[in-house]
Amino acid sequence: AQSVAQPEDQVNVAEGNPLTVKCTYSVSGNPYLFWYVQYPNRGLQFLLKYITGDNLVKGSYGFEAEFNKSQTSFHLKKPSALVSDSALYFCAVRDTGGYSTLTFGKGTMLLVSP
Amino acid sequence: DADVTQTPRNRITKTGKRIMLECSQTKGHDRMYWYRQDPGLGLRLIYYSFDVKDINKGEISDGYSVSRQAQAKFSLSLESAIPNQTALYFCATSDHAGRGQQETQYFGPGTRLLVL
Repeated sequence: AQSVAQPEDQVNVAEGNPLTVKCTYSVSGNPYLFWYVQYPNRGLQFLLKYITGDNLVKGSYGFEAEFNKSQTSFHLKKPSALVSDSALYFCAVRDTGGYSTLTFGKGTMLLVSP
Repeated sequence: DADVTQTPRNRITKTGKRIMLECSQTKGHDRMYWYRQDPGLGLRLIYYSFDVKDINKGEISDGYSVSRQAQAKFSLSLESAIPNQTALYFCATSDHAGRGQQETQYFGPGTRLLVL
């Protein structure tokens, strides 16, 4: 079985400050990990993914995420938040074995204040 | 993403009615998915299809059915709608990247369904 947890329903940060959105996962083998963002009245947009290799993954809009195998985490980060980053963020995981599908977290609302 | 379209974008229906949600894609992807999104529950997989002849149940398939009419089209039906099927429904597509790879999923804009 595979699962993903986003422990925070909402994260508040001031514009210009660094942001972190947390994600932890559970898989039986090795994970594929994803971050998606959902803006109001829009579908989900792909931000970045970890497949293998470097633990620090860089993605769209200045976001990056760090894969930590020992802590089973894949936190999303950005050095300087923008008001336009305010959105709902989803972490997703898939076990590398077989043809299983993605399991999504419940989402974290990021609110960046001016 | 304009490459994945969903119709209708909004729908209000009554309990017991049959309703179909349609998804079309121009990305040429083999794999298609239907999810529902509920506040606080994230996205849950309803059905998925890895090619035209392949249909698989997801986490929450009860009360739903699907049809893969062509590579580019994947429809979701609610045979007899009930109020707890009120949700935001998303279609997604992905390409087959080969064993050991993980393809990225691309989402449509969603259909907001209200069952009265």
